Amino acid sequence: GENVEQHPSTLSVQEGDSAVIKCTYSDSASNYFPWYKQELGKGPQLIIDIRSNVGEKKDQRIAVTLNKTAKHFSLHITETQPEDSAVYFCAATDSWGKLQFGAGTQVVVTP
Amino acid sequence: DTEVTQTPKHLVMGMTNKKSLKCEQHMGHRAMYWYKQKAKKPPELMFVYSYEKLSINESVPSRFSPECPNSSLLNLHLHALQPEDSALYLCASSQDQGLGEQYFGPGTRLTVT
Repeated sequence: GENVEQHPSTLSVQEGDSAVIKCTYSDSASNYFPWYKQELGKGPQLIIDIRSNVGEKKDQRIAVTLNKTAKHFSLHITETQPEDSAVYFCAATDSWGKLQFGAGTQVVVTP
Repeated sequence: DTEVTQTPKHLVMGMTNKKSLKCEQHMGHRAMYWYKQKAKKPPELMFVYSYEKLSINESVPSRFSPECPNSSLLNLHLHALQPEDSALYLCASSQDQGLGEQYFGPGTRLTVT
């Protein structure tokens, strides 16, 4: 089945700097890759996603890149702000259409 | 509107109690999901309903019983739970099963005493 690995597990950045989170997946049939942000005490919030026919997608300060050949995808957050502090999960769909999540990255943005 | 609502927000129950968690969406989505999330872990899929029929059961113990009364509602009936079942229970929905873009509710924080 699908296996998603996510790195790093924690990421501390200075406000205004960029943050990058990387994920790899194992199932070459995976075709949908969402990113979720989860703040303390809340449910995961879909912040951006990418499908396998696209290499890059951007939405304001966040962007996602996908390398199908290498089976990895990344989340980029530019000009980080304290409100970006949260746990971020990457995910990939498996052959059943189920989401397989990475282990999560705790992002801390310090002023 | 991408809102999924869940009630209650918090629930404390004893091991002999019976309780239910409720989830509702009005986005016209035909797939609804229950996930369990332990602290500092990703969500784990429990059940998937597609067009009001149970599509996937991830070998969940029978003390968890899902129900989909209609296309907008999803329930999770709880009976004879164990302390290790304490977790955040998340509901999600998507346009169709396997078509991505799952939207999550805020979750129910369950504590089993």
